[in-house]
Amino acid sequence: DGGITQSPKYLFRKEGQNVTLSCEQNLNHDAMYWYRQDPGQGLRLIYYSQIVNDFQKGDIAEGYSVSREKKESFPLTVTSAQKNPTAFYLCASIGDRRDEQYFGPGTRLTVT
Amino acid sequence: AQSVAQPEDQVNVAEGNPLTVKCTYSVSGNPYLFWYVQYPNRGLQFLLKYITGDNLVKGSYGFEAEFNKSQTSFHLKKPSALVSDSALYFCAVRDNTGGFKTIFGAGTRLFVKA
Repeated sequence: DGGITQSPKYLFRKEGQNVTLSCEQNLNHDAMYWYRQDPGQGLRLIYYSQIVNDFQKGDIAEGYSVSREKKESFPLTVTSAQKNPTAFYLCASIGDRRDEQYFGPGTRLTVT
Repeated sequence: AQSVAQPEDQVNVAEGNPLTVKCTYSVSGNPYLFWYVQYPNRGLQFLLKYITGDNLVKGSYGFEAEFNKSQTSFHLKKPSALVSDSALYFCAVRDNTGGFKTIFGAGTRLFVKA
């Protein structure tokens, strides 16, 4: 089955540690996205990538980093510089600009 | 800059009554518009989209939305609400001038009472 996988579903880290969230898709989509979801704030765009080896900052990129070395993979690193990292993180992809986004199941990150 | 506004945090309707979830947008070019639904602790599921053509768009589960360019709105509607429609609904916009950047609204929680 084609789709997007995010792992793990739940992630716990101590403050000051970097953590990497995984996102993999087998849909052959060119564009991939990372969003952060907080209660009452909807989905806020962190980074997106239109093609391999290229990515753009979204509205809340500070404290995050990404890479796009393979078409199938778009990992997100939450660095210690991110002041409030505890959130629900969603990955998405699309094949064409007119298409709807396909979303993964999400990773809930808790930093204490 | 792109932006999306969903002015209502929550919408309450009785089962069987029509429902409307509001969305207004701002883009520099013409918009591609989308509605998604989210159930607790899950990813988003696509409902419908407006790309071009007919302003009334029909989607999954009996939902529809009307694109109004003069009012920059894309309200989600359903003629008869079901309890199972209770969920979190998101509107999203993408500028059709060439980029892939997609911005979401803050979401509207729909509560359908039996």
